[in-house]
Amino acid sequence: GQQVMQIPQYQHVQEGEDFTTYCNSSTTLSNIQWYKQRPGGHPVFLIQLVKSGEVKKQKRLTFQFGEAKKNSSLHITATQTTDVGTYFCAGRSSGGSNYKLTFGKGTLLTVNP
Amino acid sequence: NAGVTQTPKFRILKIGQSMTLQCTQDMNHNYMYWYRQDPGMGLKLIYYSVGAGITDKGEVPNGYNVSRSTTEDFPLRLELAAPSQTSVYFCASSYQTGSNEKLFFGSGTQLSVL
Repeated sequence: GQQVMQIPQYQHVQEGEDFTTYCNSSTTLSNIQWYKQRPGGHPVFLIQLVKSGEVKKQKRLTFQFGEAKKNSSLHITATQTTDVGTYFCAGRSSGGSNYKLTFGKGTLLTVNP
Repeated sequence: NAGVTQTPKFRILKIGQSMTLQCTQDMNHNYMYWYRQDPGMGLKLIYYSVGAGITDKGEVPNGYNVSRSTTEDFPLRLELAAPSQTSVYFCASSYQTGSNEKLFFGSGTQLSVL
């Protein structure tokens, strides 16, 4: 079945440093979504990428979708303590069930002030 | 709009007990999902529904049942609770799948089976 791998599992940074998490799928994706989950909270939608090579920005966050539509990344510039949480990617296979969204295991980001 | 509402927030069950986790959404979304989240393991799909009267199994359906009698409600039933079902359960809904997809999650139910 489809697998979505996310690295690193944990990342600890000093406030102001950059952060990147990577997501790789075993199959080609029709779209990829990113979610953020604060400690003790629920996942909250950040963005969806659909097109090959797509790049989207949200303030200090930059999201990329690979040319082959099998990988993606989330980059945060100059982290702040408000960025703390677990970042999940979720990919929907282009060839499989229309309703099965596979989540990566997430990257837990901690920021030292 | 309240969004996706889950009850209860916390529950402790004894082995073999049964319970229903409630989920309701007021966004008129057709698609609804149940996920479980174990520490460090991401989100695993238990069951999903594409509309009232239609449900299907996800990745980890064993030990659970669902129903979707209305667009708004999607309860998850545990018939014989087992320690392996200790987890955080999230209900989610979305308007559609594909190029304009966005899942809205409830605040979760933390379940312990002892």
